[in-house]
Amino acid sequence: AQKVTQAQTEISVVEKEDVTLDCVYETRDTTYYLFWYKQPPSGELVFLIRRNSFDEQNEISGRYSWNFQKSTSSFNFTITASQVVDSAVYFCALAHYGTNSKLTFGKGITLSVRP
Amino acid sequence: GAVVSQHPSWVICKSGTSVKIECRSLDFQATTMFWYRQFPKQSLMLMATSNEGSKATYEQGVEKDKFLINHASLTLSTLTVTSAHPEDSSFYICSASPAGPTAQTQYFGPGTRLTVL
Repeated sequence: AQKVTQAQTEISVVEKEDVTLDCVYETRDTTYYLFWYKQPPSGELVFLIRRNSFDEQNEISGRYSWNFQKSTSSFNFTITASQVVDSAVYFCALAHYGTNSKLTFGKGITLSVRP
Repeated sequence: GAVVSQHPSWVICKSGTSVKIECRSLDFQATTMFWYRQFPKQSLMLMATSNEGSKATYEQGVEKDKFLINHASLTLSTLTVTSAHPEDSSFYICSASPAGPTAQTQYFGPGTRLTVL
């Protein structure tokens, strides 16, 4: 069975601070996908990133960066110089390798960025 | 690209009525769509996987006669909540996966907030 743990439930930071959202996963698969989604107060989930398990390169996209550590089964997400618009619930998710696989979501982390 | 729409965005209905929610992939074809339910301050719960032209696969504990899913085309899936009751009030979200290199990625609709009085 697959499992995603987001141990942090709520994080509050002041604007311009850096913040890291943790994600730890469990799977018996040797190949799989990891995802991060953002759910702002409007409710719509926004796709942020997909990572294949065989690609352990870290990724940076603007103020966002992701650190994939297969050895520790972690896929952490860092926001640099946070902004108020970053306030949202962030979900980490895991899927079996292959097309149209179901997602296993973590419980989500509520990030509040104060001005 | 990869835009998914849902209609309606919110609906209020009386207990005992049926409600239909539409999910459309606007700029891609989706052989598979997913339906989720989300309670306040909780994660998403997968209800069913919908494949075009075939019967949906429901998750354990989800009543297939209560939540009717139809996936009649490669761009449209519908969820009908039959004989809705107050406990069915929730946020319903659909997602779709495009074909090709991004087939593993689910893109989500904006959700439908259902309130049953």
